[in-house]
Amino acid sequence: AQTVTQSQPEMSVQEAETVTLSCTYDTSESDYYLFWYKQPPSRQMILVIRQEAYKQQNATENRFSVNFQKAAKSFSLKISDSQLGDAAMYFCAYRRGGGADGLTFGKGTHLIIQP
Amino acid sequence: SAVISQKPSRDICQRGTSLTIQCQVDSQVTMMFWYRQQPGQSLTLIATANQGSEATYESGFVIDKFPISRPNLTFSTLTVSNMSPEDSSIYLCSVVKTGGTEAFFGQGTRLTVV
Repeated sequence: AQTVTQSQPEMSVQEAETVTLSCTYDTSESDYYLFWYKQPPSRQMILVIRQEAYKQQNATENRFSVNFQKAAKSFSLKISDSQLGDAAMYFCAYRRGGGADGLTFGKGTHLIIQP
Repeated sequence: SAVISQKPSRDICQRGTSLTIQCQVDSQVTMMFWYRQQPGQSLTLIATANQGSEATYESGFVIDKFPISRPNLTFSTLTVSNMSPEDSSIYLCSVVKTGGTEAFFGQGTRLTVV
């Protein structure tokens, strides 16, 4: 079975600075997807970024980028120019490709933005 | 994207009773899922809601406790049966559009059992 591990329960960063959230995963599959979701206090789950395992190029969405290391099974999220609105819980998630599976989530990292 | 309406948004229920949560999607989707998020915890998949057949439950979740209906491709319900305080959680509906990879989520139902 697949597992997703987020080893940082909480991270704090100064506004406008850069922060990296860590995520590792374990799977025996070769076809899968990885995601970072953001959950603000409103509890709405918002997709931040996704990565297809077959793509070597790291995904980027504006201030958000990932460092995808497939051999190491690592999938970290970098947030540049942190903004107050980035404060939220961040969940790393895995989904097997080609099937009808749901997501497996990590325990989450609470990101605090210091003004 | 997909717009998901989940009702109720919150409820306080007496132990031993049941609550049915509704999930309505603005377009037909193949895959619908139900998750539980216990206080201060991550999301855990309860089951996949299959249209026209019985739901597929994850380990630790059973149909008698969490019966699910999926009468068509845009609607599903999750019932939390014979509730106890341990069932106090946020329950979230999620969908993946046909051919898509991204999961969209409803706003969740915050359930408190007293």
